[in-house]
Amino acid sequence: GESVGLHLPTLSVQEGDNSIINCAYSNSASDYFIWYKQESGKGPQFIIDIRSNMDKRQGQRVTVLLNKTVKHLSLQIAATQPGDSAVYFCAENRGNDMRFGAGTRLTVKP
Amino acid sequence: DAGVIQSPRHEVTEMGQEVTLRCKPISGHNSLFWYRQTMMRGLELLIYFNNNVPIDDSGMPEDRFSAKMPNASFSTLKIQPSEPRDSAVYFCASSLRSSPGQDGYTFGSGTRLTVV
Repeated sequence: GESVGLHLPTLSVQEGDNSIINCAYSNSASDYFIWYKQESGKGPQFIIDIRSNMDKRQGQRVTVLLNKTVKHLSLQIAATQPGDSAVYFCAENRGNDMRFGAGTRLTVKP
Repeated sequence: DAGVIQSPRHEVTEMGQEVTLRCKPISGHNSLFWYRQTMMRGLELLIYFNNNVPIDDSGMPEDRFSAKMPNASFSTLKIQPSEPRDSAVYFCASSLRSSPGQDGYTFGSGTRLTVV
């Protein structure tokens, strides 16, 4: 029979533009969130985190926004570069372990 | 620091054979996690350890899967007998805190398992 895999949301941006990747989480009790970047053939790599007592956190070229009211998380990448092309996962802390979303594939066009 | 080290990087085995995946966490990290990644199901937590003790193995799919952590610097994930549907990339991750969720995880490069 035909196999059905995850259909990753995809985002294609022009080099130099800003990217926004969105994520909806499921557990209103989650108190800690992380964005990971996964390049082909590699493990997920930590990008930035945020705790539930914050609504915004900035890193180098990246910003994470947290809206607890609607259980929504976003990752903003400024001046997107070809090296940013990857699959991006949000993860939520649920008790003593992290649960990952399905991921979004970001493609940067030169 | 060399990071989380997994071996082998690739494993191809025949259905019914035993497979053992290995992981060396970052020195000083108290928590270790095994994840499985497939196109069908994404990243799934299989089991995690705190201070070498298994805390939650509810993600282990079947009795064919078992994991051990005999000491703070080594863990194994064993599949016996292996089946084609076990084909996936298996990741090990470690975390500094004894209560995961207070720090990011560091992932290894994964073991790509193919069962034919």
